[in-house]
Amino acid sequence: KQEVTQIPAALSVPEGENLVLNCSFTDSAIYNLQWFRQDPGKGLTSLLLIQSSQREQTSGRLNASLDKSSGRSTLYIAASQPGDSATYLCAVVPNAGNMLTFGGGTRLMVKP
Amino acid sequence: DADVTQTPRNRITKTGKRIMLECSQTKGHDRMYWYRQDPGLGLRLIYYSFDVKDINKGEISDGYSVSRQAQAKFSLSLESAIPNQTALYFCATSDFESGYGYTFGSGTRLTVV
Repeated sequence: KQEVTQIPAALSVPEGENLVLNCSFTDSAIYNLQWFRQDPGKGLTSLLLIQSSQREQTSGRLNASLDKSSGRSTLYIAASQPGDSATYLCAVVPNAGNMLTFGGGTRLMVKP
Repeated sequence: DADVTQTPRNRITKTGKRIMLECSQTKGHDRMYWYRQDPGLGLRLIYYSFDVKDINKGEISDGYSVSRQAQAKFSLSLESAIPNQTALYFCATSDFESGYGYTFGSGTRLTVV
């Protein structure tokens, strides 16, 4: 059974810092990996989708990398802002099916 | 308009009542899903549907039922609501054309008293 782990569970940084959120998964046979953002009590907003054949995706200040062989993905946030404060969720779609498996999330606080 | 719309946004209901949560999408995706989110437990899959005639149970389907009325509509019912079904419920869609990237609705916050 695929398991997805996100470290750290919570992170607090001053505004302007570059930061890295980590995601690991136990079964490297994935179809894709997706990073989401969730504000408290709100829905999930898709940030980046990386297909299994890709190594990274970029959107603005966000860059996500994927290393299938080691079962890892990182989300890099450049020049963090208070508006980046949210929970970030990593999720994978396994090859054998299509059901998204989520990590527990990293709760990020960016202080002004 | 949002790509995936859930109604209602918030609902308070009494134990034993039947309640329906609705989801509609304009993405044209063939696959639709219902998840619930609980603090400390993350998101868990309730039911999923790969097309109108294909409906499958997820990991926590007991106490729930679904109906796929059309490609764009997927509703979740709680036959007899109980307090431990208090949670945030999300509908999501995906399909091959999107590389099976998921799009989520804004959620329904359900409280069972």
